[in-house]
Order: sequence, then structure tokens, then C-alpha cells
Amino acid sequence: GAVVSQHPSRVICKSGTSVKIECRSLDFQATTMFWYRQFPKQSLMLMATSNEGSKATYEQGVEKDKFLINHASLTLSTLTVTSAHPEDSSFYICSASGGRNEQFFGPGTRLTVL
Amino acid sequence: AQSVTQPDIHITVSEGASLELRCNYSYGATPYLFWYVQSPGQGLQLLLKYFSGDTLVQGIKGFEAEFKRSQSSFNLRKPSVHWSDAAEYFCAVGTGGATNKLIFGTGTLLAVQP
Repeated sequence: GAVVSQHPSRVICKSGTSVKIECRSLDFQATTMFWYRQFPKQSLMLMATSNEGSKATYEQGVEKDKFLINHASLTLSTLTVTSAHPEDSSFYICSASGGRNEQFFGPGTRLTVL
Repeated sequence: AQSVTQPDIHITVSEGASLELRCNYSYGATPYLFWYVQSPGQGLQLLLKYFSGDTLVQGIKGFEAEFKRSQSSFNLRKPSVHWSDAAEYFCAVGTGGATNKLIFGTGTLLAVQP
């Protein structure tokens, strides 16, 4: 149980375009979902926390207009990188929590912006 | 402020040797502690967690960790390392409660020599 999927696993896009990444909890209801960013050989940095049906809470320094997060249902959250630029290239990982002080992680999405 | 320190950036051990990865945390309340493992280009897999009770926690793949409140530590151990254990290991502290955030250490990259 507690499986989280992400789609796509890899995406390459041109600079200036927008990219949407989906995060789904497959076998449980995720009251909270988290989005992380990981640069090569570095740790995970929390970008934002989203609760179903409400606006996401962004960490300091994360541009909410650039990284749009939607948590429309208890099993789906999306992260849209708007007007992507090469510096947005990174590994994006989501996690989901059903409210038991534990997060379950997706496999990650590798974004490359040309 | 909450923080997690993993003093060792990179560790190399011989296959069959014992392993200890260090983790120290700073957190005002009773911490929820986690160890995750990440293979290259993959998401995070939970090895073990400590919420309360017995301070010696058993996890998957033969790993264990011991919570020592007096030392603010949660070191990960394995008596005999296998080549497949080569990966990046992250210690994390969870805030629990309504925010339920995870704060990650910088990670320790484990290399296993034949």
C-alpha cells in the first residue's frame, strides 16, 4: 500500500513553455501533498505544501506564480512550471500524506529545459 | 530552527563490512525521525522510522537505527553491507501535526567496494 506515482518521469521542453507534472496517490487518500526540488548531488528542498481544496503554502524563496500547484482531489496534485527556463531544470519529487506523520514519495520527474 | 545534519558527505565501505551513517537533529519537540534511501534518478524509499517507544528501530534490508535523545542522534547501522546498498541516504525529521513537514539532511553517498 501507500503508492505514489508521478507523470511524466522525464520531460524535455523548450525555454518559455509550461510543463505540468502530476502526482497521484494510488491506494490512499492524501490530505496533504508536498512538492520538492532536488538539484544534482543535493538534498531535497521543500517547495510547497498543498492541502486538498485549498491554496498551496509555498516555502520562502519559491515563486508561487512560477510554480503553480493544484490539489483538486484527495488523490491528485499537479505542479505546473510556467515559462520554464534552463535554471528550472531539476528533479521534482512529490510526496503524499494521509495524516499519519509520514510521507510517501513518488519516483520523481526529471525536467530538462533547453 | 529545525535542522538535520549528516556529517559524512561520502562514505566508502567494503562489501561485508559494517556500516554506520550519522545523523544529528535539532528540534524543539519530540521528533519523528526517518531514514530514506535514494538510488540514482529514483525517488525515496523509506528504510525505517521512529515515532515513539523502543529507541532501537528495525527497518527493511537489514538496516536499524537507534534514537538517542541525549545526543540528538539517529544513526543508521547495518552489520554487513551488500553491493546493492550503494546509494544516497537521507535522514529526515518530521514536524508532525498540522504542517507535517519533513526536513532533510544533506545526504550521505555510500559507495561499496568489492
